Amino acid sequence: AQSVTQLDSHVSVSEGTPVLLRCNYSSSYSPSLFWYVQHPNKGLQLLLKYTSAATLVKGINGFEAEFKKSETSFHLTKPSAHMSDAAEYFCITAGGYKYIFGTGTRLKVLA
Amino acid sequence: GAGVSQSPRYKVAKRGQDVALRCDPISGHVSLFWYQQALGQGPEFLTYFQNEAQLDKSGLPSDRFFAERPEGSVSTLKIQRTQQEDSAVYLCASSAGQGGNTIYFGEGSWLTVV
Repeated sequence: AQSVTQLDSHVSVSEGTPVLLRCNYSSSYSPSLFWYVQHPNKGLQLLLKYTSAATLVKGINGFEAEFKKSETSFHLTKPSAHMSDAAEYFCITAGGYKYIFGTGTRLKVLA
Repeated sequence: GAGVSQSPRYKVAKRGQDVALRCDPISGHVSLFWYQQALGQGPEFLTYFQNEAQLDKSGLPSDRFFAERPEGSVSTLKIQRTQQEDSAVYLCASSAGQGGNTIYFGEGSWLTVV
């Protein structure tokens, strides 16, 4: 069965420094993988998705993620954090009609 | 519509009261999902519709929870005899298909049971 594991529940970075949010997946076949962001009191917004067309996926707001089959990982990165990036981030995989959520990573950006 | 719309955005219910939460998915989207998100937690699956058919309701926490989508578009999540543990954000989402399709979320209905 498909699943995702977000390795950090909280990440703190300084503004202007790189962001790394880690996600490992478990799937018996090529998975569909997504990263979503949830700002306080808001719904979830799609950052990017992987559907096997390319291993490096570029998303909105300068985020990107690399699919690494050998490491079963789909980590989210951004070269330079902005204060507005402070939010909760969810890694999601899809299997059939079901979308399976990771437990989330709360990103804090320090001035 | 342009996005997934949910109403009401905020609802305070007295314990024992019935509530109904509405979801307007993106026009033409076949798949519709309801999730429950408790404070500080990730969304938990409640139920799934493909058009008007409810194909999975395995996540509904009790028989007090009921969802419908009679014409394959608008959906309503009903909670009968609300309890304090029902306090959560209820997220509706829709997608054009399944699996690898992008799922679009509404902003949620915030339910507080007092």
